[in-house]
Amino acid sequence: GNSVTQMQGQVTLSEEEFLFINCTYSTTGYPTLFWYVQYPGEGPQLLLKVTTANNKGSSRGFEATYDKGTTSFHLQKASVQESDSAVYYCVLGDLGGNYKYVFGAGTRLKVIA
Amino acid sequence: DTTVKQNPRYKLARVGKPVNLICSQTMNHDTMYWYQKKPNQAPKLLLFYYDKILNREADTFEKFQSSRPNNSFCSLYIGSAGLEYSAMYLCASSRVGNTLYFGAGTRLSVL
Repeated sequence: GNSVTQMQGQVTLSEEEFLFINCTYSTTGYPTLFWYVQYPGEGPQLLLKVTTANNKGSSRGFEATYDKGTTSFHLQKASVQESDSAVYYCVLGDLGGNYKYVFGAGTRLKVIA
Repeated sequence: DTTVKQNPRYKLARVGKPVNLICSQTMNHDTMYWYQKKPNQAPKLLLFYYDKILNREADTFEKFQSSRPNNSFCSLYIGSAGLEYSAMYLCASSRVGNTLYFGAGTRLSVL
């Protein structure tokens, strides 16, 4: 079946540092890949998505490339702010098949001012 | 309006008692999902409705029920709560093939 792996449980950075969150996936299909962000007291919300392999998605300074060769969808941001502190989920959507979305375990980002 | 509403936000239940959680959306989405989220774990899909068709995951098939009396409303029912059901329950909706929209969740504590 489909699966998503995020190895980093928590990342702590100072403001203006570079962010890299690792995500790899496993699938036999042609998924859409997402990054969701969850702020305290709220549900997850879409940060960005990419529907086609080898394309890049970007939003609010975050970007991720759907790399079919390495089955990766790493999230990056050049310069983080304290307001970016949240939990980030990598998500695989099997939207042409069984309509299921599979989540990674999430990475908690803490940005210190 | 891209709001998914969940009620209640917090729920306290006794072991062996039933629990009913409620979710609504006004976006006319055809698909509604329920996820269970425990600390340090990925959100786990429990079941989802595509239109009126219920799909339950094989490993939670016996534990959770759901109903969707109309397009906007979906409930999650636990017939007899156990301690292992303590978790955050997240409801989400989407137009099939598109972005998931989540509610803020219901935190269930079973004592």
